[in-house]
Amino acid sequence: EDKVVQSPLSLVVHEGDTVTLNCSYEVTNFRSLLWYKQEKKAPTFLFMLTSSGIEKKSGRLSSILDKKELFSILNITATQTGDSAIYLCAGGYGGATNKLIFGTGTLLAVQP
Amino acid sequence: SAVISQKPSRDICQRGTSLTIQCQVDSQVTMMFWYRQQPGQSLTLIATANQGSEATYESGFVIDKFPISRPNLTFSTLTVSNMSPEDSSIYLCSVLLSGETQYFGPGTRLLVL
Repeated sequence: EDKVVQSPLSLVVHEGDTVTLNCSYEVTNFRSLLWYKQEKKAPTFLFMLTSSGIEKKSGRLSSILDKKELFSILNITATQTGDSAIYLCAGGYGGATNKLIFGTGTLLAVQP
Repeated sequence: SAVISQKPSRDICQRGTSLTIQCQVDSQVTMMFWYRQQPGQSLTLIATANQGSEATYESGFVIDKFPISRPNLTFSTLTVSNMSPEDSSIYLCSVLLSGETQYFGPGTRLLVL
């Protein structure tokens, strides 16, 4: 059965800390690995990764995919209270339609 | 990305009734999806809505319970039928853009009493 597993389930850090969020996947017909940030209801798109070893970066956030080990990480440096959210990882699969299977998320709390 | 809106943003309903959720996009998109997020859980795909054809449902979801319409390339509706408290969830629509990236609407928070 396909699955996406995220760790840790929750994390509490102080402003300025660096965090690493983990995502492992077993997805049939895997196409891509996506990261989202969910603060209230709507997940906000962060990254889509399709190639191994190529880091994607946006400001203080970066992510990389390892297709051999079926693993991805999301790094956040110099964390701020506004980074507090649930971070969701999803495996994209399928042919013409890129469906997503989501992990349960990592709840990140950044304290002042 | 695209601007995606959902209506209603939240609702409280009585068991046995039905609620129709609307999803509107500001540009034409081929693929739209409907997800459910139960309390404390992650997102689960309900169905894929294609314009001009019947929706494709995932395992565990049936058309009688979650009928979907997709009358054009910018609009879709999801109906939650004969509701029970177990249907209390956030319902999200998403659209497929840039080839493989899904962008989500703001969600509808449903509470069934």
